[in-house]
Amino acid sequence: GEDVEQSLFLSVREGDSSVINCTYTDSSSTYLYWYKQEPGAGLQLLTYIFSNMDMKQDQRLTVLLNKKDKHLSLRIADTQTGDSAIYFCAESMSGTALIFGKGTTLSVSS
Amino acid sequence: DADVTQTPRNRITKTGKRIMLECSQTKGHDRMYWYRQDPGLGLRLIYYSFDVKDINKGEISDGYSVSRQAQAKFSLSLESAIPNQTALYFCATSDGTGNYGYTFGSGTRLTVV
Repeated sequence: GEDVEQSLFLSVREGDSSVINCTYTDSSSTYLYWYKQEPGAGLQLLTYIFSNMDMKQDQRLTVLLNKKDKHLSLRIADTQTGDSAIYFCAESMSGTALIFGKGTTLSVSS
Repeated sequence: DADVTQTPRNRITKTGKRIMLECSQTKGHDRMYWYRQDPGLGLRLIYYSFDVKDINKGEISDGYSVSRQAQAKFSLSLESAIPNQTALYFCATSDGTGNYGYTFGSGTRLTVV
């Protein structure tokens, strides 16, 4: 069945870059998304990429998409303690709803 | 006011009780969704609705039912709550274009004892 895979934990030091990886299954996915969930809060859309793009940059965030390998990554430059959160990768399944990965917990130490 | 409002924010209920979680949105979107979040399992789709007359089961619909009362309102019911339905429940809405993703509510934390 459909599945979105992410590593569960990532720990970095403040000021370093963070890279969160995701693999997805549906090659027909039109959009792929990254959501952020801070402790005790709902999900906030961070960024998304259209399937005909290879890369998207938005301030400190860079999304890379490799359609051949069905691999998506989110790079956060100059990671700050405020970036500590759970990051979810999600793919849009044709005719249904977003399918989410299990989430990657990013821990940033000062 | 929030774009997507969920009530209640927190609820403790007893096994076997019926409970309804409510969701309303002011985005004017046709599509609405219910997800459940469990630690380490991410978000799993319970039900989704593409318009008022359209209801579809998601990955984990057993033990749940929904009602789409209006374009803006989508409620989730647990007919007879059981402890393994203890979770964080999220409602979301989208315009269906994919351009802006989904807008989520703040969640309802449900505990079944």
